[in-house]
Amino acid sequence: DVKVTQSSRYLVKRTGEKVFLECVQDMDHENMFWYRQDPGLGLRLIYFSYDVKMKEKGDIPEGYSVSREKKERFSLILESASTNQTSMYLCASSFGALTGELFFGEGSRLTVL
Amino acid sequence: GENVEQHPSTLSVQEGDSAVIKCTYSDSASNYFPWYKQELGKRPQLIIDIRSNVGEKKDQRIAVTLNKTAKHFSLHITETQPEDSAVYFCAASRTGGGNKLTFGTGTQLKVEL
Repeated sequence: DVKVTQSSRYLVKRTGEKVFLECVQDMDHENMFWYRQDPGLGLRLIYFSYDVKMKEKGDIPEGYSVSREKKERFSLILESASTNQTSMYLCASSFGALTGELFFGEGSRLTVL
Repeated sequence: GENVEQHPSTLSVQEGDSAVIKCTYSDSASNYFPWYKQELGKRPQLIIDIRSNVGEKKDQRIAVTLNKTAKHFSLHITETQPEDSAVYFCAASRTGGGNKLTFGTGTQLKVEL
């Protein structure tokens, strides 16, 4: 079974803090993604990566950055957290360059006070 | 970029009835259309997908239809059961997009006894 693990299920941070969300997958997938899930807005792509040290902006990258130093790990960084970044964050991975199944982590619920 | 619209946002059916969820997309180059199911508190999981060279695909009680001319696709669930209650997301992407899925806003399906 593919396993995508997100390091924190629940986080509470204060406005202005730097926040790291970590994601690790164990299936040697090339592609990794960070989505944000909000009620009524569905899943919106923040950043994605096709390879180590490679990253591309998704649909809502503002206020976020990412890091992929190793193939299995993809980190989402909030340089200065704001209250409008309170959300559920989902990491996902997939295999190959063509379209295929996304495997999601269980999510990290971030609250910014 | 791609834009996916999904309707309805909520759907309530009686057990044993059929449920239909509809999505439209904007990018005529999109050629891969998956559907994900997210049960309460759990991660989204792929339940069925269809590619643009196929008009319909079935898997037991679930079917997806695709109309490329009209740029819309639909999920059909027959003989609904309480365990079908979940949020369903449609999505679209195109070959060469590297699994970069654009999701709809989700449909909360409730199957009542």
